Formats: sequence, C-alpha cells, structure tokens
Amino acid sequence: AQKITQTQPGMFVQEKEAVTLDCTYDTSDQSYGLFWYKQPSSGEMIFLIYQGSYDEQNATEGRYSLNFQKARKSANLVISASQLGDSAMYFCAMREGGWTGNQFYFGTGTSLTVIP
Amino acid sequence: NAGVMQNPRHLVRRRGQEARLRCSPMKGHSHVYWYRQLPEEGLKFMVYLQKENIIDESGMPKERFSAEFPKEGPSILRIQQVVRGDSAAYFCASSRTSVYNEQFFGPGTRLTVL
Repeated sequence: AQKITQTQPGMFVQEKEAVTLDCTYDTSDQSYGLFWYKQPSSGEMIFLIYQGSYDEQNATEGRYSLNFQKARKSANLVISASQLGDSAMYFCAMREGGWTGNQFYFGTGTSLTVIP
Repeated sequence: NAGVMQNPRHLVRRRGQEARLRCSPMKGHSHVYWYRQLPEEGLKFMVYLQKENIIDESGMPKERFSAEFPKEGPSILRIQQVVRGDSAAYFCASSRTSVYNEQFFGPGTRLTVL
C-alpha cells in the first residue's frame, strides 16, 4: 500500500484565490510527522510546513495551512491568496517511526498552475 | 548561512562509467539522507547516514550503489557502471537530529546517462 497518496496530478487556481491540495497517508505508527514541500521548475525542494501527529492544532505558515484530519488520515495543504509564484509541484511527505524514524515517504506530487 | 550544497548540479556519464555525487550538509547538521527522483515521480528514499556510519540503506539498490559520510568532507553517493535507468535527480537532505526536524534539501544533482 502507498504510504502517501496524492490524487490530484494537476490543479489550476485563479490568482488571489485559495486552493487545497489533497494528501492522504497510511501508517500504523502513533508518532509520525507530515510535511509539504514545493518544487518549482528550477528543481529544488523547498520546505513549506510541518504537522506532528500529536499536534492538536493545524499548522500554519504564512499563506500555507495544513488541514490535519487524523481520523481520516488526511493532511491537505491549503494555500490562501494564490500568487503566480506558487506555480510548482507540491509534494506531501511523511516521516514515521517514532524518535528514530529514518526516512521520508513522498507522494507523487501535484502540479499547481496559478492563472493570472 | 549556507544551505545544503550539492555538486555537481548536472552530471553526464556514458554507460559503464562511474558517477560520484557530493553533498555538504548544512552547518551543524550531522544527519544526511539521499533520495532519488525519477521523471514524473516523487522522491524515493535511498540511504540515511551519520558521520562515518550508515544508519539505514534499505532504499539502496543492492549492486553498484554505495554511500559514505566521512568524518571530514562531504557525503558521497557513488554509482558504479551506470546504466540508462540511473538517469534521475538525486537529492541530498540534512537535519540537525534524527527527531522530527524538517529535512533541508539541497538543489539536487541531475544525472544523465547516455
């Protein structure tokens, strides 16, 4: 089974509108971390936001927020007030394994295009 | 405050040659991770190293691939006798500890095997 599932290969959003990128995860661990990364066309991976499995509040970082629904095992990324520079690939990732979790599992990504 | 450095950024090799990819972690980071990204795919974990130790190499192909992180100098991912299927982007990430810190990624090395 896939550890991280991103079901939206491509998304379009009008500039200044909000967009939600979906991510579901699969783990039997009680302790895990969820991450979102942005990969622009230049190729680097940029960390956006982190949510711990025990965090009770949804994480927020500027225009990014993570809609964490633990029972549904979903960790959707919400980008508010989209900008042209938000056009990129977005990857959801999970790190499991308690204090000694070694690796990230990445989804296949969602390509976001912001339309002027 | 330099981030994770990788070099070269682009590497072209012919089939059968060796590829050596270097990664210098962020200052103060002693944990290094290597990932491979095939075209149109997400990143796949390869190996996790601390200084002079391989902690987890469960994602490394059994043959031709090796990694090291010496006491001094960068971490090296070495691919011997490259084949066309090795063409990919190879990312290095580093973290301060092994606890849920975010991993900071380097810009990647794009390997093309002719």
